[in-house]
Amino acid sequence: AQSVTQPDIHITVSEGASLELRCNYSYGATPYLFWYVQSPGQGLQLLLKYFSGDTLVQGIKGFEAEFKRSQSSFNLRKPSVHWSDAAEYFCAVHLTSGTYKYIFGTGTRLKVLA
Amino acid sequence: NAGVTQTPKFQVLKTGQSMTLQCAQDMNHEYMSWYRQDPGMGLRLIHYSVGAGITDQGEVPNGYNVSRSTTEDFPLRLLSAAPSQTSVYFCASTLANEQFFGPGTRLTVL
Repeated sequence: AQSVTQPDIHITVSEGASLELRCNYSYGATPYLFWYVQSPGQGLQLLLKYFSGDTLVQGIKGFEAEFKRSQSSFNLRKPSVHWSDAAEYFCAVHLTSGTYKYIFGTGTRLKVLA
Repeated sequence: NAGVTQTPKFQVLKTGQSMTLQCAQDMNHEYMSWYRQDPGMGLRLIHYSVGAGITDQGEVPNGYNVSRSTTEDFPLRLLSAAPSQTSVYFCASTLANEQFFGPGTRLTVL
């Protein structure tokens, strides 16, 4: 069955440190891939997306993600974290097999230490 | 252009009560969906619609009904609320494989 795994439930980093959030998916083909961010009490905001082409994609707020087909991964990175990046991050896939269904990971909550 | 709007923002129900969560979008998107978000479980798809008059079940449809009489509106109905339906509900519309989310409705069932 198709699935999305975010193995880290919580991550704590110091402000200014680099960040990598992991995402792995299980699907027979290459899906469309997304990262969303959710601040407390808010809706989901799209950070970046991958449909095809260059496997390193740039998003908003200084985030980037790299698609690695061999590892079925789409990890999110940021070279220097700001205190305002504290939030919950969700990886999602859109299955490209003729359906409109999206599957979300369970999320990673990021805490930033001053 | 208001995007995706949801009402109410908060709601408290007693077990057995019914209610409708409203969702509207002004972007003329054909595809809309409803999710529930529970701690540690991410977002799970309840129902979705690929256009007016067409709806289908998602991952967790039990206890929920939907209809899509217009492109703009996609209400979610709870016919007999249960404590297990306490959650945050998000509506989304989709264009070109990108989803646009509403601000959510926080529902508590006592």
